[in-house]
Amino acid sequence: GQNIDQPTEMTATEGAIVQINCTYQTSGFNGLFWYQQHAGEAPTFLSYNVLDGLEEKGRFSSFLSRSKGYSYLLLKELQMKDSASYLCAVVDSNYQLIWGAGTKLIIKP
Amino acid sequence: NAGVTQTPKFRVLKTGQSMTLLCAQDMNHEYMYWYRQDPGMGLRLIHYSVGEGTTAKGEVPDGYNVSRLKKQNFLLGLESAAPSQTSVYFCATRGTSDTDTQYFGPGTRLTVL
Repeated sequence: GQNIDQPTEMTATEGAIVQINCTYQTSGFNGLFWYQQHAGEAPTFLSYNVLDGLEEKGRFSSFLSRSKGYSYLLLKELQMKDSASYLCAVVDSNYQLIWGAGTKLIIKP
Repeated sequence: NAGVTQTPKFRVLKTGQSMTLLCAQDMNHEYMYWYRQDPGMGLRLIHYSVGEGTTAKGEVPDGYNVSRLKKQNFLLGLESAAPSQTSVYFCATRGTSDTDTQYFGPGTRLTVL
């Protein structure tokens, strides 16, 4: 079966750094997406990784290790507006997206 | 440009009633998707379309039908609604590259009593 695991909920402090992990077991791998979803809103694209390593985009970075079936999203200099759910999704061998349940990130002042 | 729009935004149905959800896009994308999102679960694919006049089943197609008569519109139908279909429904579109980003509509919150 196909499986993507993320922590259900995380709490962090404004101005700090937080790392959200995602592990996956899928039939094939053609890339991994991270999306942000604020409560009551649609998911919006954050990053895409297909090769091993770190991709940096402003305050957000995403890392991929294909051999370990592992990715993380790193958020720096946390702001209150970063309170949201973060969704990990893997592109499988049929080029369909397999979604994790998401990690709800709570930012405290 | 409106991007991806969905109508209605909210709907309450009684068991056995039918309804159609409309997704419209002005991004000229070939691929369109219907997902449902339930608490504690990832987005699950209901049906998708790779172009005008085509549709295909996703992970959870039972109880739903779709049509893509025009490139810009993708309709999701519930013929006989059941309480298990209470969910938030998202439409998404993407371009022709298999690793293109998916762009989501604002969602439809459906409650079946």
